[in-house]
Amino acid sequence: EIVLTQSPATLSLSPGERATLSCRASQSVSSYLAWYQQKPGQAPRLLIYDASNRATGIPARFSGSGSGTDFTLTISSLEPEDFAVYYCQQRSNWPPVFTFGPGTKVDIK
Amino acid sequence: EVQLVESGGGLVQPGGSLRLSCAASGFTFSSYWMSWVRQAPGKGLEWVANIKQDGSEKYYVDSVKGRFTISRDNAKNSLYLQMNSLRAEDTAVYYCARVQVTIFGVAGVAMDVWGQGTTVTVSS
Repeated sequence: EIVLTQSPATLSLSPGERATLSCRASQSVSSYLAWYQQKPGQAPRLLIYDASNRATGIPARFSGSGSGTDFTLTISSLEPEDFAVYYCQQRSNWPPVFTFGPGTKVDIK
Repeated sequence: EVQLVESGGGLVQPGGSLRLSCAASGFTFSSYWMSWVRQAPGKGLEWVANIKQDGSEKYYVDSVKGRFTISRDNAKNSLYLQMNSLRAEDTAVYYCARVQVTIFGVAGVAMDVWGQGTTVTVSS
């Protein structure tokens, strides 16, 4: 079973600052990794898939990188609406089952 | 508009059963793998189950195997989750989600469309 670890648990930043979120897998997941944003009381929203591809309608300030076991979500300049919880998620090669990381909360400093 | 709408949540006693439904619209439902994902109060996301386009393959997280059954009716554009032998730890918001597909129809990496969720509370 692949386990995802996210760091830090909480990231306190100001609007306009750069956010760097980490996701580490217990074994290689190739590029089978996605990132989601979730705000209180809302469903998750897909940001990044296949490690580095932005989903439809996602602003260019969001970018993903990495492969194998180490992945990064970068928000180049935080907007007020970006303060939320971010989850990484992997899909196993076979069978196609999913695992989420524990999440990183980005809050206002 | 692409949309998923869940229903069927509620309060149920431990050991009881509940059936969740998810109505899909705005896309060709029969072309996509579908998933259920849950979120316990104040906790993170947990994937629960997947089902292939034609229902021939189904996968579950270990904690629900033998208790939950995912199914679909492509004629009705609907996804279901039958939950039996419910436990307090099954209390959560349950989301229905569409799984991306590759050009070969294989399940993609991510879930790109989500419903608003339905709340299940297991308590006596």
